[in-house]
Amino acid sequence: NAGVMQNPRHLVRRRGQEARLRCSPMKGHSHVYWYRQLPEEGLKFMVYLQKENIIDESGMPKERFSAEFPKEGPSILRIQQVVRGDSAAYFCASSPGLAGEGSEQFFGPGTRLTVL
Amino acid sequence: AQKITQTQPGMFVQEKEAVTLDCTYDTSDPSYGLFWYKQPSSGEMIFLIYQGSYDQQNATEGRYSLNFQKARKSANLVISASQLGDSAMYFCAMREASSGSARQLTFGSGTQLTVLP
Repeated sequence: NAGVMQNPRHLVRRRGQEARLRCSPMKGHSHVYWYRQLPEEGLKFMVYLQKENIIDESGMPKERFSAEFPKEGPSILRIQQVVRGDSAAYFCASSPGLAGEGSEQFFGPGTRLTVL
Repeated sequence: AQKITQTQPGMFVQEKEAVTLDCTYDTSDPSYGLFWYKQPSSGEMIFLIYQGSYDQQNATEGRYSLNFQKARKSANLVISASQLGDSAMYFCAMREASSGSARQLTFGSGTQLTVLP
């Protein structure tokens, strides 16, 4: 049973380009979370999605960032017109459902975005 | 106010000794969960241990145990018999029942543990 998959693992973009980060949740998981880890910091929540729905995007920057989780295919985190401050590790986590407090989120290996 | 506080940016421990990594939390929610994750230099996030706010006993998973002191709002991670492979960044995290529909995790800033041979 494959775990959470993220690709690419490393992504280099120049300022002003677009970055697309993909996340395939674990089989049977319909809930996806995106977190961002800036250098020397802990992970910070960005957005929570279920299939075809954004449930909570309270951690997303208001501009340039968007996320989707289509009926078919992976979840996508899209960053338009990247700036140097977007350089970070972006983690995706999935869970089988909105269970109790003990419901574990399974993390992917992360995508390390570097903006030149 | 910080929801999760890890006051030790870096810790050193001798191989085979035990080490305690501190974590304090702040919540007014009566129902919450506390998690510890390990992040080695390769970058992935590895789940270690979980403690529920209503659990009567401290959680244990192999060499990991969670020293849960509810009144003090602390959830320290104890690693017994440290191994060189334990060298990594360790994050404490909390999920509150009242964190809205997302039930997202809130992470501390982490503690970098180095195990010395």
